[in-house]
Amino acid sequence: LAKTTQPISMDSYEGQEVNITCSHNNIATNDYITWYQQFPSQGPRFIIQGYKTKVTNEVASLFIPADRKSSTLSLPRVSLSDTAVYYCLVGAPTGGGNKLTFGTGTQLKVEL
Amino acid sequence: DAMVIQNPRYQVTQFGKPVTLSCSQTLNHNVMYWYQQKSSQAPKLLFHYYDKDFNNEADTPDNFQSRRPNTSFCFLDIRSPGLGDAAMYLCATSRDGGGRSYNEQFFGPGTRLTVL
Repeated sequence: LAKTTQPISMDSYEGQEVNITCSHNNIATNDYITWYQQFPSQGPRFIIQGYKTKVTNEVASLFIPADRKSSTLSLPRVSLSDTAVYYCLVGAPTGGGNKLTFGTGTQLKVEL
Repeated sequence: DAMVIQNPRYQVTQFGKPVTLSCSQTLNHNVMYWYQQKSSQAPKLLFHYYDKDFNNEADTPDNFQSRRPNTSFCFLDIRSPGLGDAAMYLCATSRDGGGRSYNEQFFGPGTRLTVL
């Protein structure tokens, strides 16, 4: 089982880069790593997904080391609207992967 | 816009009274999921459908059942709700199969269930 852990909370200021790390020591070969953002009383929203190395899209970057036992979500130049809970999701129910498991979640608070 | 819709947004039921939550999608995705999310916790997968194939998680209580009559709709039935079942229930969808696709999920807004 891919047990995934994250820091409980992080604080930042507008305009700064934020890096949130997820630990997934038991990741399986077929597991992908995905990050979601969740606002209160809403469903999670997809941010970025990767398998290894680095992935970048218009809102974030995802860094995955060679051993894939951790991953880091990087949010460039955060704003107040980025205040939310961020979850990593690891797993792949088919092909021998682990059960889909969300990380413990990181509450990001962005201030002026 | 293509989306995942959950009804109702808020549901109140009595202890032991069966309740059904519904989810529909216009994305034409073949995989649908139900998650339970309690306050200040991460979503926890209850079960998912890959097309018509039902996949139950080992730790999902028997009290929770699901139906998927067609591609677009999926229902969560709680046969005898207890106080501990009060939570947000999230429906999600994804396209096709394989590891990558399972993780790229589209979530509905959730149904908040209160048990009195």
